[in-house]
Amino acid sequence: DAKTTQPNSMESNEEEPVHLPCNHSTISGTDYIHWYRQLPSQGPEYVIHGLTSNVNNRMASLAIAEDRKSSTLILHRATLRDAAVYYCILRDWGGAQKLVFGQGTRLTINP
Amino acid sequence: DSGVTQTPKHLITATGQRVTLRCSPRSGDLSVYWYQQSLDQGLQFLIQYYNGEERAKGNILERFSAQQFPDLHSELNLSSLELGDSALYFCASSATGTGTNEQYFGPGTRLTVT
Repeated sequence: DAKTTQPNSMESNEEEPVHLPCNHSTISGTDYIHWYRQLPSQGPEYVIHGLTSNVNNRMASLAIAEDRKSSTLILHRATLRDAAVYYCILRDWGGAQKLVFGQGTRLTINP
Repeated sequence: DSGVTQTPKHLITATGQRVTLRCSPRSGDLSVYWYQQSLDQGLQFLIQYYNGEERAKGNILERFSAQQFPDLHSELNLSSLELGDSALYFCASSATGTGTNEQYFGPGTRLTVT
């Protein structure tokens, strides 16, 4: 499985935008970039995914670099509820469906 | 609420014992996955079933086994339990057995082996 690199932790303030980076320099052409998050004492939760173009949904935006070797998850206006561990995961469309979780980024939101 | 249910929420048992964890997927989902989350190993994939058949295996010990029933619920059986098996066990489901469908996770079962 292609590897991703994320900062161990980040901190932001409530109601401010948050940019969570992910590096995936060995990404292949068929790898989709997925983001999941795990809130305290809960199971992981799907956030967003994309292949080449930037993507938006009700939870977040995903900005993908032109060379696809990095991506950024954007929370436009963080709330206390967004405090979680965020995982950036590469998934090959034709490969195994399992999710391979790294260490993720622990996001702390200050009130 | 993801629509995936897991029972029990907590389980405390002794070394050497056997336990069964149960998972009901979201309505209509055909794939079920089991993951283990421990402090030292993080979140690790154990096994996937699709429509009753084993589809993929990960870091699942021989002491562990799983199955998916005709009604699509799944059970994870853990036997000869050791202290190191203490962990959170998550079940997830997705619509199909291929592609990159998002997975929906249950609330987990916390297993404590004493």
